[in-house]
Amino acid sequence: GDSVTQMEGPVTLSEEAFLTINCTYTATGYPSLFWYVQYPGEGLQLLLKATKADDKGSNKGFEATYRKETTSFHLEKGSVQVSDSAVYFCALIGAGGTSYGKLTFGQGTILTVHP
Amino acid sequence: ETGVTQSPTHLIKTRGQQVTLRCSSQSGHNTVSWYQQALGQGPQFIFQYYREEENGRGNFPPRFSGLQFPNYSSELNVNALELDDSALYLCASSFRDRAYNEQFFGPGTRLTVL
Repeated sequence: GDSVTQMEGPVTLSEEAFLTINCTYTATGYPSLFWYVQYPGEGLQLLLKATKADDKGSNKGFEATYRKETTSFHLEKGSVQVSDSAVYFCALIGAGGTSYGKLTFGQGTILTVHP
Repeated sequence: ETGVTQSPTHLIKTRGQQVTLRCSSQSGHNTVSWYQQALGQGPQFIFQYYREEENGRGNFPPRFSGLQFPNYSSELNVNALELDDSALYLCASSFRDRAYNEQFFGPGTRLTVL
């Protein structure tokens, strides 16, 4: 079945540092890939998405590129802020069949940014 | 445009009881999915409803059941509650016919089973 693996966390950075959170996936065909963010006490918000190979999703300074050859979708930001402190989830929706409409999530990575 | 709403926000039940959680879809959406998020984990897919019928189910026992109503709102019912059912329950709505089925999440219901 489909699966998503995120880098071990938590991640602690100083403000303005560079961020990378690794994400790799296993799925048949060409899934759609997502990064969601969850702030304390809240539900999930879509951060960015990519629906086909080599697509780059971007939002609020965050970027991720859909790499079919390495089955990866790593999240990056050039300069993090304290307000970016949250839990980040990599996720996919499979291309069809029993995967249709079902989001499969990674375990999440806690990011803490200090001033 | 109204977003996804869920009720109640928090709920405390005892083992063996039954619970009903409610979700109102975002305007224009026709599909509702439910997820269980245990503490410190990623959300796990429970099931999805489309046109008032279950359309895909994750690895959850039959005591987890649901309904979707003609206005696309939905309920999640859990019978014979167990301690491990303590979690954040997330509802997500989407419009099925869009290519990548982008899902919009509600704030969740925090269920505690004692």
